Amino acid sequence: GAGVSQSPRYKVAKRGQDVALRCDPISGHVSLFWYQQALGQGPEFLTYFQNEAQLDKSGLPSDRFFAERPEGSVSTLKIQRTQQEDSAVYLCASSSLSSGGRWRDTQYFGPGTRLTVL
Amino acid sequence: RKEVEQDPGPFNVPEGATVAFNCTYSNSASQSFFWYRQDCRKEPKLLMSVYSSGNEDGRFTAQLNRASQYISLLIRDSKLSDSATYLCVVNVGNTDKLIFGTGTRLQVFP
Repeated sequence: GAGVSQSPRYKVAKRGQDVALRCDPISGHVSLFWYQQALGQGPEFLTYFQNEAQLDKSGLPSDRFFAERPEGSVSTLKIQRTQQEDSAVYLCASSSLSSGGRWRDTQYFGPGTRLTVL
Repeated sequence: RKEVEQDPGPFNVPEGATVAFNCTYSNSASQSFFWYRQDCRKEPKLLMSVYSSGNEDGRFTAQLNRASQYISLLIRDSKLSDSATYLCVVNVGNTDKLIFGTGTRLQVFP
């Protein structure tokens, strides 16, 4: 079946521009996560949705970052007034189970959006 | 100090070699543990979960030592196709977010 898809795959923005990154999770997956991966680093958590509810946004680096999932499926990560330090790969992941159990269901990652801010 | 620490490598090994990666985590409330594999310019993919009793999947063996807060991955009979970055990952307490190490790069040569 179809996996997690993300668009665009590559985005070049001038400093100060706003960008919107889209994630289509696996159909029926309840949980959706956004991570940021800088060059040479592991992914870092940004935010988490369970259906349409944003349950954790502790990883968002500033108020320029905003995420939504209005209908509990597709999600958009928006970055306002982009800065050079925002350059990274933005990964979206989804999983079928919500929190509550001791063992979490596998998170399946999309291919990422590589954002370059000039 | 990072919550999950790994030696970034690279580890350069010949085909057929056995190689071991180690990882330490700082939060004693960590409950779930994983190794993910990430190929160059690709997304991370789950390689295996890590259980307290240790677990094996073919040529791959993972171990967890909760007392020392230490996780390991052993790869036997390395293949060229094993060349990738191996990410140590933990899940803390009742949260759903994954915390990744920086990854250990493995290069297997003929």
